[in-house]
Amino acid sequence: AQSVTQLGSHVSVSEGALVLLRCNYSSSVPPYLFWYVQYPNQGLQLLLKYTTGATLVKGINGFEAEFKKSETSFHLTKPSAHMSDAAEYFCAVRSLSGQNFVFGPGTRLSVLP
Amino acid sequence: DGGITQSPKYLFRKEGQNVTLSCEQNLNHDAMYWYRQDPGQGLRLIYYSQIVNDFQKGDIAEGYSVSREKKESFPLTVTSAQKNPTAFYLCASSKQGNTEAFFGQGTRLTVV
Repeated sequence: AQSVTQLGSHVSVSEGALVLLRCNYSSSVPPYLFWYVQYPNQGLQLLLKYTTGATLVKGINGFEAEFKKSETSFHLTKPSAHMSDAAEYFCAVRSLSGQNFVFGPGTRLSVLP
Repeated sequence: DGGITQSPKYLFRKEGQNVTLSCEQNLNHDAMYWYRQDPGQGLRLIYYSQIVNDFQKGDIAEGYSVSREKKESFPLTVTSAQKNPTAFYLCASSKQGNTEAFFGQGTRLTVV
């Protein structure tokens, strides 16, 4: 079965510092990868996605992620953290059957003033 | 505006009662999903449906039931057989193929 791991259940950064949230997946075929953000007591909002083509994907709010097949990774970055980035972030992969999604356990991002 | 609507946002249930969570979408998506979210455990798939009148169990279907009588609706019933129903429930939908899922705002269920 496919799985998604996110290193670090909680990451803290200072405002203005680089944000790096890690995601690794297990897949024997080219995956379709997603990053979502969740604010407290709300649903998930898509940040960005990789399906095919360019491996560096840009998303909303200044986030981007790079698909590295050799490392089975899809890490999320943002050059300069803002207080409003504090939220929970989930990495997800479309299942091999294409019928559902597999989510990582999430990483809670705190931004310190 | 197109989107997914979950209702109610907060729900309280007495032990032993069944309760139904509503999920409606006007995105014309074929596929719909129910996830359960608990602190520190991410999202776990309860049920999903790829087409009207058909649905499949996810990883934690025990104690839950669903129906898909209309394309736009996918209600979830939490039955009394679910031993620990207090959680945040998320409904999602997607087009067929390798596209993203769109999520509702969630329903927080508390058993009292």
